[in-house]
Amino acid sequence: DQQVKQNSPSLSVQEGRISILNCDYTNSMFDYFLWYKKYPAEGPTFLISISSIKDKNEDGRFTVFLNKSAKHLSLHIVPSQPGDSAVYFCAASGNTGNQFYFGTGTSLTVIP
Amino acid sequence: NAGVMQNPRHLVRRRGQEARLRCSPMKGHSHVYWYRQLPEEGLKFMVYLQKENIIDESGMPKERFSAEFPKEGPSILRIQQVVRGDSAAYFCASSPISRNTEAFFGQGTRLTVV
Repeated sequence: DQQVKQNSPSLSVQEGRISILNCDYTNSMFDYFLWYKKYPAEGPTFLISISSIKDKNEDGRFTVFLNKSAKHLSLHIVPSQPGDSAVYFCAASGNTGNQFYFGTGTSLTVIP
Repeated sequence: NAGVMQNPRHLVRRRGQEARLRCSPMKGHSHVYWYRQLPEEGLKFMVYLQKENIIDESGMPKERFSAEFPKEGPSILRIQQVVRGDSAAYFCASSPISRNTEAFFGQGTRLTVV
């Protein structure tokens, strides 16, 4: 069963505009959430994280928002740049076990 | 500071052979995770290990797959008698602790079974 879901397999955005990537989770025991970025033929690289005690975390052009009641998080990238084109995975962990649960990814294309 | 090192990057095996994938975690990291990514799919958890211990192997197929993380040396993911369906990218990640922290990934090993 997929405990972390990314329902949009792909997203295209014009350079300079905002990219919003969404992620939903089902397990209320998750208390730590992460976003990873992955280029083809490379391993995922960590981007940004948020603890469940917060509802927003910002790092430069990247902001993650967490809505615990809706079990939803989103990653905002603004302004989007062509180099942001990659697959983005959201992940969750918590007092449920010993693994990071990953979504299936959203492929972002930023059009110059 | 070297990152997570995986080797080989590419591995080709014939059906029925054994595949051994190696992962050296980042310095100071004692927690290792193995994930598999099948074509067009996300990352699927396989196993979580600490030094000399398998903590969670709930994602490992029951047969042919095994993993270890010895006191000395890299973590090894072993696949015996490989089949075409084992073809995938296998990623290793490591973290310094098990909670509320990010895991750092290696470049992955792309296994092709012919």
